[in-house]
Amino acid sequence: EAAVTQSPRNKVTVTGGNVTLSCRQTNSHNYMYWYRQDTGHGLRLIHYSYGAGNLQIGDVPDGYKATRTTQEDFFLLLELASPSQTSLYFCASSEGTGGDTQYFGPGTRLLVL
Amino acid sequence: TQTVSQSDAHVTVFEGDSVELRCNYSYGGSIYLSWYIQHHGHGLQFLLKYYSGNPVVQGVNGFEAEFSKSDSSFHLRKASVHWSDSAVYFCAVSAHTNTGKLTFGDGTVLTVKP
Repeated sequence: EAAVTQSPRNKVTVTGGNVTLSCRQTNSHNYMYWYRQDTGHGLRLIHYSYGAGNLQIGDVPDGYKATRTTQEDFFLLLELASPSQTSLYFCASSEGTGGDTQYFGPGTRLLVL
Repeated sequence: TQTVSQSDAHVTVFEGDSVELRCNYSYGGSIYLSWYIQHHGHGLQFLLKYYSGNPVVQGVNGFEAEFSKSDSSFHLRKASVHWSDSAVYFCAVSAHTNTGKLTFGDGTVLTVKP
């Protein structure tokens, strides 16, 4: 069973604050993804990566940076958080070829005041 | 660009009923179609997927889905639901490339009443 963990599980920050969300997968998957989930929008892809040091832009990248430091670790950075970034964030991993199953973490709930 | 539409935001049925959750997609090339389930407070979990071959695919816990190229659809079905099937169901499309990138529908909330 694929294992993807996220930390923190909950985070509160203020507008303009600096936030880092962490994700780790222990399955030697090549691809990792960051999504945000908002009511009425399903899941939207922010950034993804196909290996350490690689970063690809997703569908809603504005206001977010990401970094893949190792094959296991993928971080999402909000350097100047805004209330519009209040959301539920999910990390996922997969082998990477088209159609491969994605394995999701439990999510991080972020509130920007 | 691929898009996914789940026309029903909410579906409510009684335990033991059958259910069909609808998914329509648009994309001009080869695609993978999949369904994921999200129980309250948890991440998404894979249910099933289709790429080619038999248009009816079986998934976990008695779920199945049927692909229709003519209707651009990939509807999810279950013959007899249980209260534990209450969850949000997401249809997803992935182009036949090596990115693994998924595009999700907005989800359907399934409520199973006792």
